[in-house]
Amino acid sequence: GAGVSQSPSNKVTEKGKDVELRCDPISGHTALYWYRQSLGQGLEFLIYFQGNSAPDKSGLPSDRFSAERTGGSVSTLTIQRTQQEDSAVYLCASSSGLAGSQETQYFGPGTRLLVL
Amino acid sequence: GNSVTQMEGPVTLSEEAFLTINCTYTATGYPSLFWYVQYPGEGLQLLLKATKADDKGSNKGFEATYRKETTSFHLEKGSVQVSDSAVYFCALSDTGANSKLTFGKGITLSVRP
Repeated sequence: GAGVSQSPSNKVTEKGKDVELRCDPISGHTALYWYRQSLGQGLEFLIYFQGNSAPDKSGLPSDRFSAERTGGSVSTLTIQRTQQEDSAVYLCASSSGLAGSQETQYFGPGTRLLVL
Repeated sequence: GNSVTQMEGPVTLSEEAFLTINCTYTATGYPSLFWYVQYPGEGLQLLLKATKADDKGSNKGFEATYRKETTSFHLEKGSVQVSDSAVYFCALSDTGANSKLTFGKGITLSVRP
């Protein structure tokens, strides 16, 4: 597609429920990143995919968080048993995966998650 | 580990004023440096970048120079406009295939007419 898309744009859930957030990267981009933007913590890295593999999961805050990527394209971030501190904007970004640290990452509009 | 420190905000300026937003970093190796901007109601977008020491990134009248000796990447603009009102994030990515970004806290700039 023309840019990175994410769905849903907003999600309100009750504490303890599971949620799934979706990211559709730019076509052909092999690198995909998830970040979280919250008031207290700023912008934090969560997980990095190269193709369908996730060589860096170091930013996932707990084992309630998981992510997968299929077909080298769409990625899903799943939060189980949501807590109020999970409330944040979850951002997805993609890049071509060819030039490492010099690459530009293109961000989606984000999913705003509110846990009541 | 890597870290990015931005000056505290928010910053309010009058139109046509000179802008400087300070950014310093700590990193191993030779990171690439970025400024991202988030306009009201919009997603993060790249403003400019520099990939090696002494490189100058520039876009939309904004400039930043990669200073390895002072580990800094300060953002400047000679004459700001109301449309520059946004949140600005300084960021770095480490060398290697995993170019995950480490962001500063961000600073809100408001430009009044």
